[in-house]
Amino acid sequence: GEDVEQSLFLSVREGDSSVINCTYTDSSSTYLYWYKQEPGAGLQLLTYIFSNMDMKQDQRLTVLLNKKDKHLSLRIADTQTGDSAIYFCAESGGYQKVTFGTGTKLQVIP
Amino acid sequence: NAGVTQTPKFRVLKTGQSMTLLCAQDMNHEYMYWYRQDPGMGLRLIHYSVGEGTTAKGEVPDGYNVSRLKKQNFLLGLESAAPSQTSVYFCASDDQGGEGRPDTQYFGPGTRLTVL
Repeated sequence: GEDVEQSLFLSVREGDSSVINCTYTDSSSTYLYWYKQEPGAGLQLLTYIFSNMDMKQDQRLTVLLNKKDKHLSLRIADTQTGDSAIYFCAESGGYQKVTFGTGTKLQVIP
Repeated sequence: NAGVTQTPKFRVLKTGQSMTLLCAQDMNHEYMYWYRQDPGMGLRLIHYSVGEGTTAKGEVPDGYNVSRLKKQNFLLGLESAAPSQTSVYFCASDDQGGEGRPDTQYFGPGTRLTVL
């Protein structure tokens, strides 16, 4: 079945850039997502990218997709303490069945 | 517009007890899901529903049952709780996307369940 892998933990200093990486196995993925989970809350969609795109930028967020290597990354510029959360990579073939990764806990050190 | 709500927020059960978790959404979504979240394992799909009166098994369905009698509600039942079912349970509904936009899942705040 589909598999989505992420590292479990990332620590950065406030003001630095954060890069969260993800690899997936399903070559038929149509959409790739980043969800954010703040402490004690459910997941919220942060951003997404279509599989025919290489890059998407949204304010401080940059998503890079290397379809050949099945690698997705999320870059957060000027990371703030409010960005501390768990970030989930997810992929979908477009039929409402989404496979989530294990989540990366981002710790921002003031 | 409350979005997705879950009750209860916390629950402690003894092994063998039963309980039902309730999920409600007010966005008129057809698709609804139940996930469990465990440390280092991310989200795993338990059961899902593609509309009122329908249910289907996900990745880890054993020990759980579900019902979708009304479109807005999706119930998750544990008939005989086991310590391995200690987890945080999340319900989600899906808006099925739109023109040029992929489907988005909307999550409830979660239920933290401990089985002793």
